[in-house]
Amino acid sequence: QKEVEQDPGPLSVPEGAIVSLNCTYSNSAFQYFMWYRQYSRKGPELLMYTYSSGNKEDGRFTAQVDKSSKYISLFIRDSQPSDSATYLCAAEAPDSSYKLIFGSGTRLLVRP
Amino acid sequence: DSGVTQTPKHLITATGQRVTLRCSPRSGDLSVYWYQQSLDQGLQFLIQYYNGEERAKGNILERFSAQQFPDLHSELNLSSLELGDSALYFCASGGGSYEQYFGPGTRLTVT
Repeated sequence: QKEVEQDPGPLSVPEGAIVSLNCTYSNSAFQYFMWYRQYSRKGPELLMYTYSSGNKEDGRFTAQVDKSSKYISLFIRDSQPSDSATYLCAAEAPDSSYKLIFGSGTRLLVRP
Repeated sequence: DSGVTQTPKHLITATGQRVTLRCSPRSGDLSVYWYQQSLDQGLQFLIQYYNGEERAKGNILERFSAQQFPDLHSELNLSSLELGDSALYFCASGGGSYEQYFGPGTRLTVT
């Protein structure tokens, strides 16, 4: 079993829709969680990070962590075609190395 | 632009060969992380250096090695290459926290 699981999609939505991207994780020692966006043939770009449980908002993006259910979510409001990319969730390994453990990524397509 | 540079962008080589991938971290970042991204395995952590010293190792093959130089740039050496080593190799840099900034990657094709 992978430590961070993510539905690969693809997820196709119309422009303006609210997008919900989700991950689950198995290691209860994970404390820091990140969302990266990766455009085709580019490096991952850090979108947001959250610590422990709770919500964090940045513009159209909201990251949510529910430690009780080991569930990580990213919500995108008013989605745009430029949001079309692969979204990777990640957790920081709890061994002080700061290495990241990634989910497999969800491919999102926002249709104009 | 993350501020992390990687060279070369593309590399095509034959099985059994050895290649070196180079990474320059963002200005001020002391940590360099190497990741491999393949279709079947996703993005996998290989190794981390912090200020010239190896800090953590992931699922890095014995045929692979890395180092970080005094100017903080890093090199990932891949030897005795196999077809299965074909992948995207990313370098990320950070200041010693969970925030990591990725370079554009090197696409390695082994034929």
